[in-house]
Amino acid sequence: SQTIHQWPATLVQPVGSPLSLECTVEGTSNPNLYWYRQAAGRGLQLLFYSVGIGQISSEVPQNLSASRPQDRQFILSSKKLLLSDSGFYLCAWRKEGVDTGELFFGEGSRLTVL
Amino acid sequence: KNQVEQSPQSLIILEGKNCTLQCNYTVSPFSNLRWYKQDTGRGPVSLTIMTFSENTKSNGRYTATLDADTKQSSLHITASQLSDSASYICVVSYQTGANNLFFGTGTRLTVIP
Repeated sequence: SQTIHQWPATLVQPVGSPLSLECTVEGTSNPNLYWYRQAAGRGLQLLFYSVGIGQISSEVPQNLSASRPQDRQFILSSKKLLLSDSGFYLCAWRKEGVDTGELFFGEGSRLTVL
Repeated sequence: KNQVEQSPQSLIILEGKNCTLQCNYTVSPFSNLRWYKQDTGRGPVSLTIMTFSENTKSNGRYTATLDADTKQSSLHITASQLSDSASYICVVSYQTGANNLFFGTGTRLTVIP
């Protein structure tokens, strides 16, 4: 069966510090991978998605970047965090080529920037 | 413009009562519509998928409907339980593409004893 792991679950970071959130998927190959952010009381905002190793598409100009160094690994990074980066970050995967497929989400990472 | 709107924004009901959540969309060309349940502090989980030809689909106490002509969907919860307290998110898909999803902002349901 397929699983998705996301970490860390919670972090508190000062403004200007770097960020690295990691996500790995097991039990499938060549998945489409996604990073979403959910601000308090708001809907899910797509940040980045990837259809293959090294292929990153950005949806929102921002302080963040993403990388996919391996087929089932997706990393969200920032060099200098802003207060506005606070939120609940969700990694998700979907079967490649199945555009009607279900999104499977990780457990989320709650980031607080102080 | 492709949009998904959900109502109400929040809802409080007594345990055992029924409720209905609404989703209106303007996404075209339409592929399918999914309802996700998101418990507080967790990732969303799919409850049901509705395709163009489907009008009604049930998953236990959850029943989803779709009217493709009016571009409306509803999620009906029967005999609510405390564990139904969550956000319910409507997600509509374009026909193709890796980035083909449009998300509603969700309905926050609270079931009280």
